[in-house]
Amino acid sequence: DTEVTQTPKHLVMGMTNKKSLKCEQHMGHRAMYWYKQKAKKPPELMFVYSYEKLSINESVPSRFSPECPNSSLLNLHLHALQPEDSALYLCASSQEEAGTQATQYFGPGTRLLVL
Amino acid sequence: GNSVTQMEGPVTLSEEAFLTINCTYTATGYPSLFWYVQYPGEGLQLLLKATKADDKGSNKGFEATYRKETTSFHLEKGSVQVSDSAVYFCAMDTGRRALTFGSGTRLQVQP
Repeated sequence: DTEVTQTPKHLVMGMTNKKSLKCEQHMGHRAMYWYKQKAKKPPELMFVYSYEKLSINESVPSRFSPECPNSSLLNLHLHALQPEDSALYLCASSQEEAGTQATQYFGPGTRLLVL
Repeated sequence: GNSVTQMEGPVTLSEEAFLTINCTYTATGYPSLFWYVQYPGEGLQLLLKATKADDKGSNKGFEATYRKETTSFHLEKGSVQVSDSAVYFCAMDTGRRALTFGSGTRLQVQP
């Protein structure tokens, strides 16, 4: 089973709202990722969690706040977003293997529209 | 720096035609290489991968061979179907655990 699930599938929010995106995997993977994908562009890395600790933050604005409550769950808390933050948000996970490159498996994404 | 370069799209083919999507990379060390496919309105699906030179990844009739001498990982399929219409991303991982993606190539297969 190589499934990563994401909820919600679609989200519309105003600039003053607070919302959260959720990602879940049950493959025993210890690394989890958030990517942002704008239309007709490749995904751009936002955050990496390794063993439930934040290991990479690609200079993402503080209005995006990640959280990894346990090894299977990854959340992205959203607050005071701008219309240009509208995009497809993808979660991924991989087996954490020290010193090797591990395959990342992606979820279906949450399509976010900020009004 | 590390980078992945893919051929520009869209690529438009008739059903049963031969497909090649070119991908070359620039990296220090020995990256793992991947092809991901994204169908309209969906997330990315791993199509195939190769972790060392001369490895051939294959899945669903698609193939790609890791060529260290030409730093390439071209995607091929002998006979495409309408259902293969999607965006294909070449990607590499140099061990930093952050994937470097190419710009993506849109494939349109006409019946």
